[in-house]
Amino acid sequence: GAVVSQHPSRVICKSGTSVKIECRSLDFQATTMFWYRQFPKQSLMLMATSNEGSKATYEQGVEKDKFLINHASLTLSTLTVTSAHPEDSSFYICSARDGGLADYTDTQYFGPGTRLTVL
Amino acid sequence: AQSVTQLDSQVPVFEEAPVELRCNYSSSVSVYLFWYVQYPNQGLQLLLKYLSGSTLVESINGFEAEFNKSQTSFHLRKPSVHISDTAEYFCAVSGTDSWGKLQFGAGTQVVVTP
Repeated sequence: GAVVSQHPSRVICKSGTSVKIECRSLDFQATTMFWYRQFPKQSLMLMATSNEGSKATYEQGVEKDKFLINHASLTLSTLTVTSAHPEDSSFYICSARDGGLADYTDTQYFGPGTRLTVL
Repeated sequence: AQSVTQLDSQVPVFEEAPVELRCNYSSSVSVYLFWYVQYPNQGLQLLLKYLSGSTLVESINGFEAEFNKSQTSFHLRKPSVHISDTAEYFCAVSGTDSWGKLQFGAGTQVVVTP
């Protein structure tokens, strides 16, 4: 089946630094990738949607300058948390779909997540 | 916009007993419905989905869910669980106007004991 990887699985950083999280589709081309955030005991909250080669679309309330998303190729998307603060500590999950935005019935394949802790 | 409510945060169940996980949604447009499962230290995996047609959908490992439009529900059932079914289960909804974006419920932790 389709596999999505994330790197790193865990990261601890100091307040004020930036952290980059990678999301890769290993055996398919991901036209669309999604980034989610999950707090303990809560559901996944969609942060943004990105299509390869175009700017990401952010959900309401998500700071685009804080969470920079780059989808430069069909197999790689990155999320950079800039000037991270303790309130950014969370579990970040990506998913990938090989259909375009219009093919909304395609299955999303999820990465295992990245645990970010900001001290 | 859509929203999802999973009524049970944790469901303990004995091996070989049946289990039902409840999911209710709200939406002003037609929806697609999904159940995802997350095993420890793994990513979410699609268990089953309802897009159209028969309101009863099944997975390959014995789970089934029924779309009930009047009750806005998509409950997940399995008649006999195994230890290996211990996992977190997420219900998700996508509106037909949402371009495939998913709204997730809070999840239900299923713990199967011998």
